[in-house]
Amino acid sequence: GNSVTQMEGPVTLSEEAFLTINCTYTATGYPSLFWYVQYPGEGLQLLLKATKADDKGSNKGFEATYRKETTSFHLEKGSVQVSDSAVYFCALSDPVTGGGNKLTFGTGTQLKVEL
Amino acid sequence: DTAVSQTPKYLVTQMGNDKSIKCEQNLGHDTMYWYKQDSKKFLKIMFSYNNKELIINETVPNRFSPKSPDKAHLNLHINSLELGDSAVYFCASSRSGLAGEISYNEQFFGPGTRLTVL
Repeated sequence: GNSVTQMEGPVTLSEEAFLTINCTYTATGYPSLFWYVQYPGEGLQLLLKATKADDKGSNKGFEATYRKETTSFHLEKGSVQVSDSAVYFCALSDPVTGGGNKLTFGTGTQLKVEL
Repeated sequence: DTAVSQTPKYLVTQMGNDKSIKCEQNLGHDTMYWYKQDSKKFLKIMFSYNNKELIINETVPNRFSPKSPDKAHLNLHINSLELGDSAVYFCASSRSGLAGEISYNEQFFGPGTRLTVL
C-alpha cells in the first residue's frame, strides 16, 4: 500500500535559519503530493502541492519539488520566522473510484522557531 | 465565512456513552471525509462520502457510523465509547473530478473536534 515517511521532530531552529523537512513516499501509480500545515489548536491547511514529476509547489516562501526518481518531496524554506512554528504533514493523494481522493499522511514534523 | 465547520469543538464524555459529531461545508463540494488524529498527531482517514454515498470505509470499528443527509453535511456517530476513541476528529471536503477524470483536488479541513473519553 501507499505510505509516506517524514523526518522525526521536533525540529528547533533560530529565526532566519534555513529549513529542510524530508519526505519520501511509496506509491503505486502517480499520486499527487502535498504539504499541509497545522498551527496550534487549528485544523490542517494546505501549504503547497505538486501533481506530477518535476513540478515545484511553492507558497509563503516554502518550496517542494516532486522527485519521482528519488520518490521524495522535501519541504524547504530559506529563512524561517517564529510564525512558522507548527506541525508540517507530507501527504500523497490517490484518486478514489466514485469520486474524491484518499490522502495518506506522514507522521508530521513539529517545527519550533526561536528568536 | 467558515468553509468547513464542526460541532462541537470539545466533547468530554464517559465510557459507554453514545455521541455524535457534526460537520458542514459551504464550499459546494460533493466529497466529504472523516479523519482521526491520535495523541501523537498521526492522521488517518476513516470514511469518505461522495454525493451521500460511502466511497471509503477504512478498518474502523462498527461502533463508528457516518451519516450524510446531503452532500453538504457528514455526521459521525459513535456508540459505546471507549478510552481509545479519545482523539481529535477532523472533517474535510473536496471537489471530485468530472466523470472519468482523475481528481487530485485539495481537501479543506475543519477545525477539529477534540473527544475525550473518561
